[in-house]
Amino acid sequence: DGGITQSPKYLFRKEGQNVTLSCEQNLNHDAMYWYRQDPGQGLRLIYYSQIVNDFQKGDIAEGYSVSREKKESFPLTVTSAQKNPTAFYLCASSFGTGNYGYTFGSGTRLTVV
Amino acid sequence: LAKTTQPISMDSYEGQEVNITCSHNNIATNDYITWYQQFPSQGPRFIIQGYKTKVTNEVASLFIPADRKSSTLSLPRVSLSDTAVYYCLVYNAGNMLTFGGGTRLMVKP
Repeated sequence: DGGITQSPKYLFRKEGQNVTLSCEQNLNHDAMYWYRQDPGQGLRLIYYSQIVNDFQKGDIAEGYSVSREKKESFPLTVTSAQKNPTAFYLCASSFGTGNYGYTFGSGTRLTVV
Repeated sequence: LAKTTQPISMDSYEGQEVNITCSHNNIATNDYITWYQQFPSQGPRFIIQGYKTKVTNEVASLFIPADRKSSTLSLPRVSLSDTAVYYCLVYNAGNMLTFGGGTRLMVKP
C-alpha cells in the first residue's frame, strides 16, 4: 500500500542535541512538507520541497534544517538552535502545491528532556 | 492568503447531522475550499474539497454559496468516531496549506 511513513513515533532528546526525524513516501508525490503542531493549536509550516534538491522555508524555519536528496525522502533536523523543540511534527506530501489533497504521516512526538 | 474563521468547538449527539460553517470573506477567484479531519496524535486526513455550489462524497457534503464567502461542511448521522478536529482551509496553486485552530467536534452518546 502506498503511504507516508514517519519514524520514530516518539523521540526524546537532551537539550543541546540535534535530532533528525525521518519521512518517507512511496506515493510518487513531488512535493513534501514539514509541519509543527503544539498542543491545542493548528499546524505551522516549517519547510517544504516541491522537487528533489530544492526546498523552501516556511513560516517557522528557524532552528530547523532539511534535505531532499531523493524524491521519496524529506528528513527534518531539529537543531540545538531551536528554542522550544518539544512538539508534534507532521510530514505530508502531495502531487503538487496546487489544488491537490495532502497525505499526512502519523507524526513524531519530540520531547526535550 | 484568505483567512478562515470557524467555531472553536461544537457538541453533537450520535445520529445527528452536524454542520460546521467556515467564513472566508476575502477568498480569491482562484481559491479552493478544502476540509481536513484530525484525530488526536494523528496527521490530518483530507475530507472534501470544492470550488462552488455543492460537493458530496462518501464521508461528507460541502455547501458553498454563490458569493463563496463561507462554506459549510455537513457530516450526516455522526458517530462517536467522528469526534475530531475539523480544519477549513482556503488555498490555490502555489500556496501551501495554512491551518488555523480548527473546530473541535465532540460527539456524545
